[in-house]
Amino acid sequence: ETGVTQTPRHLVMGMTNKKSLKCEQHLGHNAMYWYKQSAKKPLELMFVYNFKEQTENNSVPSRFSPECPNSSHLFLHLHTLQPEDSALYLCASSQEKRLAPYEQYFGPGTRLTVT
Amino acid sequence: QKEVEQNSGPLSVPEGAIASLNCTYSDRGSQSFFWYRQYSGKSPELIMSIYSNGDKEDGRFTAQLNKASQYVSLLIRDSQPSDSATYLCAVNTLDANFGNEKLTFGTGTRLTIIP
Repeated sequence: ETGVTQTPRHLVMGMTNKKSLKCEQHLGHNAMYWYKQSAKKPLELMFVYNFKEQTENNSVPSRFSPECPNSSHLFLHLHTLQPEDSALYLCASSQEKRLAPYEQYFGPGTRLTVT
Repeated sequence: QKEVEQNSGPLSVPEGAIASLNCTYSDRGSQSFFWYRQYSGKSPELIMSIYSNGDKEDGRFTAQLNKASQYVSLLIRDSQPSDSATYLCAVNTLDANFGNEKLTFGTGTRLTIIP
């Protein structure tokens, strides 16, 4: 595996379900991110983990719960979602460094549909 | 005022011509600027980063940055049909709530190369 991988690629869930999205980066990076991409809206940053510590929670509803057990893995736990949460969820990683900060590399995304 | 603004397009360019994509940003403190390409149904792919005023060339792509005027542009020379995609501009901005820097994305410009 290379780059940033995400599973599952597609997910359909009911509003009462609990599911988790998984992200793994094979780039040796020290920061990982969750983004939400909805139609005709810019990418929305949801969570940031630097060195496994959450450094950003961008006013995300509590029905989204992130987990970062180590610098290579990131999870997004989902429960009691709403139909408006249907979107493409993207994971990204970066190596925070002085000369090339914030170059983020994205995984393929999980297309989530909430019914 | 949006933090990062792009013309949503669509921008149609004949094959072989130069495609010019523009982006303006509001945070005068921004230091890092990125262009991502996103094919329909896929995730964003980093194609250019620029940190200093002036031009940066990479193959058929040239990024141009003017911090005084707060704009960054992407030129694609000898446009090919495979360049048809949505191009996202991303700029590092300071998150006022958390005091961290983050990438803020524009909504993207849809580019179509006409054979």
